Amino acid sequence: LAKTTQPISMDSYEGQEVNITCSHNNIATNDYITWYQQFPSQGPRFIIQGYKTKVTNEVASLFIPADRKSSTLSLPRVSLSDTAVYYCLVGETDSGTYKYIFGTGTRLKVLA
Amino acid sequence: NAGVTQTPKFQVLKTGQSMTLQCAQDMNHNSMYWYRQDPGMGLRLIYYSASEGTTDKGEVPNGYNVSRLNKREFSLRLESAAPSQTSVYFCASSEAVPGFAGGLETQYFGPGTRLLVL
Repeated sequence: LAKTTQPISMDSYEGQEVNITCSHNNIATNDYITWYQQFPSQGPRFIIQGYKTKVTNEVASLFIPADRKSSTLSLPRVSLSDTAVYYCLVGETDSGTYKYIFGTGTRLKVLA
Repeated sequence: NAGVTQTPKFQVLKTGQSMTLQCAQDMNHNSMYWYRQDPGMGLRLIYYSASEGTTDKGEVPNGYNVSRLNKREFSLRLESAAPSQTSVYFCASSEAVPGFAGGLETQYFGPGTRLLVL
């Protein structure tokens, strides 16, 4: 079963733009790509979702190339409160069973 | 509107003991999920329920059973706990069933249950 892959960690300074990429080679045709944020001792929280091209909301942008085998979460002007683990989520079909596969997660540390 | 609630928040078990983790959602969602998260790791899907009365295996179902009691509640049972099941367990729910094209599969997570098996 193919898995998603992300960089393990990233450091950034306040006010910078941060881009986190997720690879998902076996994404299902109808599946969306969703990104979550997780703070210590809390459950993940939805950030953004997309199917193709570019999606933007009040907190982030999501870039998805035409082949959909990867996606990039973009956080504009990060602050200290953006320090968290970021996960991408896609679905995969394995032997007829649908499975959600979380990425390994990227630990983002925002420095003052 | 409490969202997704889980009980208990923390539990210590001895090897071989059994217990049931409870999860409830008040958002009238169709689908519910159980994940485990080991220290420093990502979430792994244990079981999910696309709708009331149906359940399906996820990535790591061995050692667990689930029950979709009604639309609101989805429980996870450990029949004979093992130290390898020490983890944080998260329940989640979503409006749409898994695999449905429509962008409605945003999952809402509960606060988690910390389980320690000695």
